[in-house]
Amino acid sequence: EPEVTQTPSHQVTQMGQEVILRCVPISNHLYFYWYRQILGQKVEFLVSFYNNEISEKSEIFDDQFSVERPDGSNFTLKIRSTKLEDSAMYFCASMKQSYGYTFGSGTRLTVV
Amino acid sequence: KQEVTQIPAALSVPEGENLVLNCSFTDSAIYNLQWFRQDPGKGLTSLLLIQSSQREQTSGRLNASLDKSSGRSTLYIAASQPGDSATYLCAVIYNQGGKLIFGQGTELSVKP
Repeated sequence: EPEVTQTPSHQVTQMGQEVILRCVPISNHLYFYWYRQILGQKVEFLVSFYNNEISEKSEIFDDQFSVERPDGSNFTLKIRSTKLEDSAMYFCASMKQSYGYTFGSGTRLTVV
Repeated sequence: KQEVTQIPAALSVPEGENLVLNCSFTDSAIYNLQWFRQDPGKGLTSLLLIQSSQREQTSGRLNASLDKSSGRSTLYIAASQPGDSATYLCAVIYNQGGKLIFGQGTELSVKP
């Protein structure tokens, strides 16, 4: 069964550093997403991406965040200057129309 | 505000019991609803997707029902097993390609 692949599985970074989280969505999916889950809290929407542009973003997704689909297969989330409160599990997901979401296994980001 | 609530927050049952997890959503105009399983520190595994026009979906020992007019869904697990122990998340989507709005989950423990 096709999978959404995320790398790395765990990243530790110093406060103020830039991080890039990587995802390879399922190849024939059209919609791509990033979500995050702070420990013990709900899964929260960050951003959706369709037709090579952002289709929706949450208020969490401020100027420190950006997304790219640089080569038609990878989908990346960049955090420019990490803060302690950015520590969370970050999930990538993709969807083919009306068939439901498929999530990756996540990247645990720890900011120290 | 569109919100999803899951009751109970935690549930502990002996092996072999049938159980019901509840999900309610404030805005009944959903596009579809998806149930996920999350093991500790892991990603989200899709269990069942219910389109807004459907009343229920079944997969093995799992059955999910949807009552759009009352803003409720239930996940029924038959003959529970210790391997069913996980957090179960309910999420709704309001338009094709839109974001998922998650409940806080029900943490299920099935004791041998």
